[in-house]
Amino acid sequence: VQVVESGGGFVQPGGSLRLSCTTSGFTFSNYEMNWVRQAPGKGLEWVSYISSSGNTIYYAESAKGRFTTSRDNDKRSLFLQLSSLKVEDTSVYYCARRLPAGAAFDTWGQGTLVTVSS
Amino acid sequence: EIVLTQSPGTLSVSPGERATLSCRASQSIRSDYLAWYQQKPGQAPRLLIHGASSRATGIPDRFSGSGSGTDFTLTISRLEPEDFAVYYCQHYGISFYTFGQGTKLEIK
Repeated sequence: VQVVESGGGFVQPGGSLRLSCTTSGFTFSNYEMNWVRQAPGKGLEWVSYISSSGNTIYYAESAKGRFTTSRDNDKRSLFLQLSSLKVEDTSVYYCARRLPAGAAFDTWGQGTLVTVSS
Repeated sequence: EIVLTQSPGTLSVSPGERATLSCRASQSIRSDYLAWYQQKPGQAPRLLIHGASSRATGIPDRFSGSGSGTDFTLTISRLEPEDFAVYYCQHYGISFYTFGQGTKLEIK
């Protein structure tokens, strides 16, 4: 079971970036997924949830209107489109699989760093 | 929105001793949706406990979770050197997740 994030990098305020999370070792289409971020030296912050079908998506207040979560079950991949980025969005972004029963996140990627700076 | 408050912020304990970490919710929550994670520097979080008291796959039995309502506890019965890390509690509500601010467990 593995999830691997990619797509992070350096971007100026107001810019955009698309993060990807590719998965293997499990039936991706059966699992709900999430994005969680962590600013340097800070705690964990949940960003977004997407149902297994992609029909239900939730966002944290900090992400609403600027971030878009999607998935491609055929490609076993999860995506996070970041737009109108702010300096305070600088974080490591993690992709996390939700347990089938209950709501905890049992599998995490290594994260991808997004740095927003002028 | 439910706020999770973890205490203490930093806990200093000697290897071999017991550590007790607290997570308090601003209102009563379902135990099914309370989890604990461990995070070491430079690593992703690792699930320890879900449903307030169920150990995740591969987690040693020295880790245990308990609690209900607004008060939850993670107990590490005999600290091993690899247990010194930051610990987070997490709650799932309707359409959102919340993390506590974390407790850093350091070697005394």
